[in-house]
Amino acid sequence: QVQLVESGGGVVQPGRSLRLSCAASGFTFSSSAMHWVRQAPGKGLEWVAVLWYDGSNKHYADSVKGRFTISRDNSKNTLYLQMDNLRAEDTALYYCARPGGSWPAWYFDLWGRGTLVTVSS
Amino acid sequence: DIQMTQSPSTLSASVGDRVTITCRASQSITSWLAWYQQKPGKAPKLLIYKASSLESGVPSRFSGSGSGTEFTLTISSLQPDDFATYYCQQYNTYWTFGQGTKVEIK
Repeated sequence: QVQLVESGGGVVQPGRSLRLSCAASGFTFSSSAMHWVRQAPGKGLEWVAVLWYDGSNKHYADSVKGRFTISRDNSKNTLYLQMDNLRAEDTALYYCARPGGSWPAWYFDLWGRGTLVTVSS
Repeated sequence: DIQMTQSPSTLSASVGDRVTITCRASQSITSWLAWYQQKPGKAPKLLIYKASSLESGVPSRFSGSGSGTEFTLTISSLQPDDFATYYCQQYNTYWTFGQGTKVEIK
């Protein structure tokens, strides 16, 4: 079925790195841009990053720019988020999300269940 | 950056009530607004896009309206399954969410 499954979360010390993965199935992943969205415990939703279907373009939230890198492997139907120099405020549930609509009017019509990242010493 | 402000933050209502949630944008976003429902421990679910278009499979008791900077989500007759947190999101310029409105049982 159509789904997104995140993995790679865990507990990490401040300043360290972590790589998240998002496995897609049931739709043509290689034709779809993809996003990461996060949610701190008990808080609202924050968009993190977007990557075009072919990797040609990417954008980041100011809060992660220069520390996080979004990438994809279309041969594996997988999206990644490399998170470096992690901070306590990066603690959150990280979702990958597929955009619906047409660029630039993208909303999010498919979400994974999320993977939890905890940054703590 | 475009800021999104929802009101109220919490809403207490009973089954059968008509419920309205407001979302205001800090600048015009024309109709590039979506609404999501999130239940505890679950991912957000798309309800409405382009301010008033109902996502496939979403019950017709949900409706959206507005344009420019002011938008509303209305649930015409609240059902037990509707107790959740609702988020608006602008996608006119990048992507920004409101802080959420929790609909709880009165």
